[in-house]
Amino acid sequence: AQSVTQLGSHVSVSEGALVLLRCNYSSSVPPYLFWYVQYPNQGLQLLLKYTTGATLVKGINGFEAEFKKSETSFHLTKPSAHMSDAAEYFCAVSEAGTALIFGKGTTLSVSS
Amino acid sequence: DAGVTQSPTHLIKTRGQHVTLRCSPISGHKSVSWYQQVLGQGPQFIFQYYEKEERGRGNFPDRFSARQFPNYSSELNVNALLLGDSALYLCASSLVLAGGPETQYFGPGTRLLVL
Repeated sequence: AQSVTQLGSHVSVSEGALVLLRCNYSSSVPPYLFWYVQYPNQGLQLLLKYTTGATLVKGINGFEAEFKKSETSFHLTKPSAHMSDAAEYFCAVSEAGTALIFGKGTTLSVSS
Repeated sequence: DAGVTQSPTHLIKTRGQHVTLRCSPISGHKSVSWYQQVLGQGPQFIFQYYEKEERGRGNFPDRFSARQFPNYSSELNVNALLLGDSALYLCASSLVLAGGPETQYFGPGTRLLVL
């Protein structure tokens, strides 16, 4: 069965600091992996996705993630945090390309 | 182009009542999925519909049902509401690609409160 584990329910960084949000997945077949962001009282917005090919994936707003099969990881990074990055971030996996299985989410706080 | 739209935005019901939530997909998208997001948790998959047929179902009781209409819009129905059904209900639409992953685009959600 597929599953997603997001390490750290809450991450706090200073503005300008590196952002690292961790995601590990479990899947019996090569997975499709996604990161979504959710701002307060809003739906989910796609940040980036991994399907096949290049393992380093670039997304919107300066975020990127690297698929590491040997570590079953898909961590999300951003070199320099902005105040506007404060939100809830969800990692998700899909094996058959249909239903998404989400992690519990990581709340990112950014301080000035 | 308009994104995924959902109605109503907020809803308050009492235990035992019935509720219907509505979703309109992005133009050209023929697949609609429903998710339940309880406060502090990630979204949980409820249903997926494609071309008016149920394509997948999550681990939810039979009180939950859905359907898709010829214009690809969808309704989620929940009967005999329980307090635990209080959540944000998200609808997502996607293109169905042969042999490929589907990127799901989410609407703003309907926040349901059961008293």
